[in-house]
Formats: sequence, C-alpha cells, structure tokens
Amino acid sequence: DTGVSQDPRHKITKRGQNVTFRCDPISEHNRLYWYRQTLGQGPEFLTYFQNEAQLEKSRLLSDRFSAERPKGSFSTLEIQRTEQGDSAMYLCASSLGGAREKLFFGSGTQLSVL
Amino acid sequence: DQQVKQNSPSLSVQEGRISILNCDYTNSMFDYFLWYKKYPAEGPTFLISISSIKDKNEDGRFTVFLNKSAKHLSLHIVPSQPGDSAVYFCAARAKNTGTASKLTFGTGTRLQVML
Repeated sequence: DTGVSQDPRHKITKRGQNVTFRCDPISEHNRLYWYRQTLGQGPEFLTYFQNEAQLEKSRLLSDRFSAERPKGSFSTLEIQRTEQGDSAMYLCASSLGGAREKLFFGSGTQLSVL
Repeated sequence: DQQVKQNSPSLSVQEGRISILNCDYTNSMFDYFLWYKKYPAEGPTFLISISSIKDKNEDGRFTVFLNKSAKHLSLHIVPSQPGDSAVYFCAARAKNTGTASKLTFGTGTRLQVML
C-alpha cells in the first residue's frame, strides 16, 4: 500500500505534555497538508508544505504547534503543553498540486488530552 | 461562520434508489468544489470534483451538479449501494488562496443505504 500513512493512530496524553505525530506522504507527492477534525465538524486546514518549505499556516495553529518536513519527505507535527481543546483527529494529506488538485488523506491520528 | 454548509446531518436511502446530498456555500470566491467520502476510522477519500466553469461532472454512479447563482451543489449517487454508506463531506477552494488547496469543508452528511 503506497497511500499516506500516519503514526500513531491513537494518542492519549495528559494535559501539559508534548506530543509528536508523523506523516509519510505518497512518495512522489511534493505537497503535504495538515488538517484537524473535531467531533461533528469537517476537517480544518492547519498548514501546508511545498517540498520542505512551510508556505502557509492557519491562525488555528497557535505558537504551541510546530510542523516540519525535513528533506521534503515525511512530516512531523508537534504540540507542546497540550490542552484539552487540542483533542481532535489530526489528518495529513499529500498531493501533486495543480489546478485541479486532489488531496489524498491518511487515516489520521486521534489525540485525546486528559 | 460556516462558509460551506451541509444542512442534512443524515440521509437514509433504499438500495438501488438515488441518493442526493446537498451542499450550500456563501463565499463567492470559491471556484473549485470536491466531495469526499469517509468511512469510520479512515481518512477522507476523494470522490469527485467540479470546477466553477462547469455545471455538471459525472463519474460512473456519481454526478455532481453546481448551481453558481444559488451557490448550491449536489451529489447524486445512482443506484445507491450498501457500500456507499459513509459520511460525505463537501469541500471548496477559493481562487484567492494562492496555490495551496486550503479546502473549506462542510460538516458532513451521514448516508445510510438500506438493503
């Protein structure tokens, strides 16, 4: 299977702890996105990489959040000093770009902050 | 504010009949629309898309219609099959967002296709 993979699938943490998620995109895709989905809502855009460059960040992404994509391959999303409001599904997507861009999503990491 | 609205949280349809899922939007800058399907414990899967220069796009059992004047789009599935049971998200991209696909999603409609 050469789809987008995310690790871990589930993460339970205590408030105040740091967590890191990993995303491996489809290998030939140069674009990588992070979205967040809370219960009863659709996914919301967080940030976007073109190769290794982080080009856009949503205002939803507070200073406690940081994302990297070293060497333009896999990406990590770190949340420092987690809060209960951070509990959500964190989705990674990749694409080839283009005018009719289609995002391919991973299965997500479900974060629960106790 | 919810720029993409899916006002029906759920829909039940008999197998073999047509399923019609609706989506309304408010942002006139949206120029590209997509439908995603999501099964439990999986990420959204791309289904079909339509550009604002078209009013219809068809792919097998799936057809998306766009009415720009009403800011409304709909997804038709015919005939509906039990495997179509999933949550369907409408998503839109604005033409002023640069090159990135910063999609704005609706809240989803849960479709149940009954035997």
